[in-house]
Formats: sequence, C-alpha cells, structure tokens
Amino acid sequence: AQSVTQLGSHVSVSEGALVLLRCNYSSSVPPYLFWYVQYPNQGLQLLLKYTTGATLVKGINGFEAEFKKSETSFHLTKPSAHMSDAAEYFCAVSESGAAGNKLTFGGGTRVLVKP
Amino acid sequence: GAGVSQSPSNKVTEKGKDVELRCDPISGHTALYWYRQRLGQGLEFLIYFQGNSAPDKSGLPSDRFSAERTGESVSTLTIQRTQQEDSAVYLCASSLAMGLVSEQYFGPGTRLTVT
Repeated sequence: AQSVTQLGSHVSVSEGALVLLRCNYSSSVPPYLFWYVQYPNQGLQLLLKYTTGATLVKGINGFEAEFKKSETSFHLTKPSAHMSDAAEYFCAVSESGAAGNKLTFGGGTRVLVKP
Repeated sequence: GAGVSQSPSNKVTEKGKDVELRCDPISGHTALYWYRQRLGQGLEFLIYFQGNSAPDKSGLPSDRFSAERTGESVSTLTIQRTQQEDSAVYLCASSLAMGLVSEQYFGPGTRLTVT
C-alpha cells in the first residue's frame, strides 16, 4: 500500500522568502508523484508531477519539486513567496502501472504568507 | 471549455436521511473519481469509473455509500442513512485516460454537513 506524509500542517513564510513544503512517500513500486494546490472554496489544481525521467520537475507559478528515490521524498519549493501563494498544498502518489491512477494524498500543508 | 462541476455546492441534512451528490465531468473525459476530504485532512479515494468497465469501489467506507455513472457522463454519489462522520467535502475529478498518467481535473466539491 502506498502512503504520503507531509511534515507540518501549517507553514508561515514572509513574502519574498523561500517556500519549502516537505513530502515523503512510501510505495512498493516506482511512484508517480504530484503536488496540488487548493485555494479557498476552490477545487484542487495540479502544480506539477513526476512520472519518469528528470528528477527535478518544474511546475506552474514558479514552483518546483525534486524526486529523491533514496530519501523517498518529493519536496516542493519556490524561491520567493508571493502573497498569492497562500493556499493549501497537497502531495499525492499513485502507483505506476496500477489501474486507474488512484491518488493517495497527504494530509495537506496550509501556507500563510506574511507581508 | 467548462471544467468539472458539482452540485449542490453545500448540503445540510439530518442524520439518517439519504443524500445524492452530482458530478458533471469534463466532456470527453473517460475516467471519473470521487474523493472525500474531511476537515483538516487530506483526500481519501472513494470510487473510480473508467468508461464502461466495472467501477473500482475499493475506497467506499461502508455499504451506505454507492455511486453510479451512465457511460462517460454524469455521476451521482449516494449516501444512505447519513451519519455525522459523513460530514466532509466530496470532490469529483475527471481525466482523459487511465493508461497514461493523465492529470485529474477537480471540481469545487460539495460540502456535506450532517446534523
């Protein structure tokens, strides 16, 4: 069975500071990894995904994440936080080759950006 | 084009009553997923439909939960004899295909409150 752990349910950053959201996963097969963002009263939006190939993945809004197999991690970063980055972020995993691409989500990290 | 839509956006019901939640996927999307998001938690997979194949019901928490989908169109999630622990946001997502890792597009969700 696969699982996802997001360290820290709440993160507070200053505008212009580095955003770092941690995600660790467990999977019995090579994983596909995702980061989603959820703005208030909206559905989830895909930020980026890793399937195969380059381990550093770039997404929308200046976010990127690096797949580290040895550490079973897929941490999300953004060099400089913007007020519009305030939202909840979810890391998710699906198992490559499994039918249906069912996603298993972490508990989410709510980001607060201080001016 | 239009995204995934869900109705109602909010539903308050009394314990013991049945509720029906609706999802309209993006036109042409063959795969459809239902997830549940409890307060302060990540999303839990409930059920997945792919075309005319038998649905994957492995995430349904009890036999009070059921879902239907006609072809590649609308889906309804039904909860019978609702309990307070059913209170959550129910999210629907659709995607183009299951063979490759297709992005899941999420609707805004239905917030269910059982009193």
